Amino acid sequence: GQNIDQPTEMTATEGAIVQINCTYQTSGFNGLFWYQQHAGEAPTFLSYNVLDGLEEKGRFSSFLSRSKGYSYLLLKELQMKDSASYLCAVRYDGGYNNNDMRFGAGTRLTVKP
Amino acid sequence: DTAVSQTPKYLVTQMGNDKSIKCEQNLGHDTMYWYKQDSKKFLKIMFSYNNKELIINETVPNRFSPKSPDKAHLNLHINSLELGDSAVYFCASSQVGLSYEQYFGPGTRLTVT
Repeated sequence: GQNIDQPTEMTATEGAIVQINCTYQTSGFNGLFWYQQHAGEAPTFLSYNVLDGLEEKGRFSSFLSRSKGYSYLLLKELQMKDSASYLCAVRYDGGYNNNDMRFGAGTRLTVKP
Repeated sequence: DTAVSQTPKYLVTQMGNDKSIKCEQNLGHDTMYWYKQDSKKFLKIMFSYNNKELIINETVPNRFSPKSPDKAHLNLHINSLELGDSAVYFCASSQVGLSYEQYFGPGTRLTVT
């Protein structure tokens, strides 16, 4: 299988920084995505990593270590609206255009005042 | 303008019935998908499809069948609905290519009684 593991829940304070970790099986790895999903809504794309290192996008950054099968999503200057689930998704070799996408169960982040 | 749309948003039906969920994307994408998100919030890919090739997740019962009248539409037909089919179903689309993210529709909450 291609287990994708992330913490179930996290809590942080408004204005703080939070790091959400994701580990995955490395065999067949072909790219990693982070999505944000507010309750009752659709997932929306946040970031994409395929090479080792850090990708920064405003308040959000994502890091990847392919050899360790590890990624994290870093959220800075937390706002109340950042309360949501954050889904780690890994693309594996296989399927049409290597499009076998597997999602983790998501990390539900609660931002408190 | 909605990029990926689904109808209906809510669907309540009885066991044994046959139902369809419609999906349309106006992004000009070549690939469309159906996902199932269960009560534990796992997003599982059911199908990925372009106008030439259908990739089926082998764990999906053959009661589920995608139907694509054209590149912009991928409908999901479900025969003989069962209680375990209750979930939120998301349609998504993307461009062809490994780095392209998926755009999700708003979801259809299916409840089978």
